[in-house]
Amino acid sequence: SQQGEEDPQALSIQEGENATMNCSYKTSINNLQWYRQNSGRGLVHLILIRSNEREKHSGRLRVTLDTSKKSSSLLITASRAADTASYFCATAGGSYIPTFGRGTSLIVHP
Amino acid sequence: DTAVSQTPKYLVTQMGNDKSIKCEQNLGHDTMYWYKQDSKKFLKIMFSYNNKELIINETVPNRFSPKSPDKAHLNLHINSLELGDSAVYFCASSQDRLARGANEQFFGPGTRLTVL
Repeated sequence: SQQGEEDPQALSIQEGENATMNCSYKTSINNLQWYRQNSGRGLVHLILIRSNEREKHSGRLRVTLDTSKKSSSLLITASRAADTASYFCATAGGSYIPTFGRGTSLIVHP
Repeated sequence: DTAVSQTPKYLVTQMGNDKSIKCEQNLGHDTMYWYKQDSKKFLKIMFSYNNKELIINETVPNRFSPKSPDKAHLNLHINSLELGDSAVYFCASSQDRLARGANEQFFGPGTRLTVL
């Protein structure tokens, strides 16, 4: 299955610390995306990284992709209480249909 | 100004009933989607429409019938509801088809369906 699998399932940190979440997948991909979901809300797109890219940044977010290891990581630097949410990776292969994992639940304590 | 809106937000109904969920996007996008998020938080695509044409149908029971009256609306009708249909259903849209590289999807707030 192409389904991405996030790790850890849950992460609890203090405000100001960095948060790192990982996503592993099994088959080759065209792109990988990270989304955030606040409790009771829809998903919000964060970053898309294509298979020929290794790293992308957006504000306090940094995403890396290692296609040889079939893994990606999402780093949130200087976390804030407002970053508390679930974070999902979605992988897309030849059909470009995104397949989502179960997400990492991040809690940032003020 | 809500970009992708869904109604209702909550839906509680008995097994065997027929229900509909409506979705509208005001982003001018050509492509819309329905996703199902189960109790374990797995999010799975169900359907996708591009300019009112069905382009993705991911082996969903035929009790589920999407309808797109125009490219800004994609409704989901479910017949003969079953307990296993309980989930959160998300509508989403993107500028173009996924295969054309317009992969950023904008999600609605979700409809929590509970079948008793």
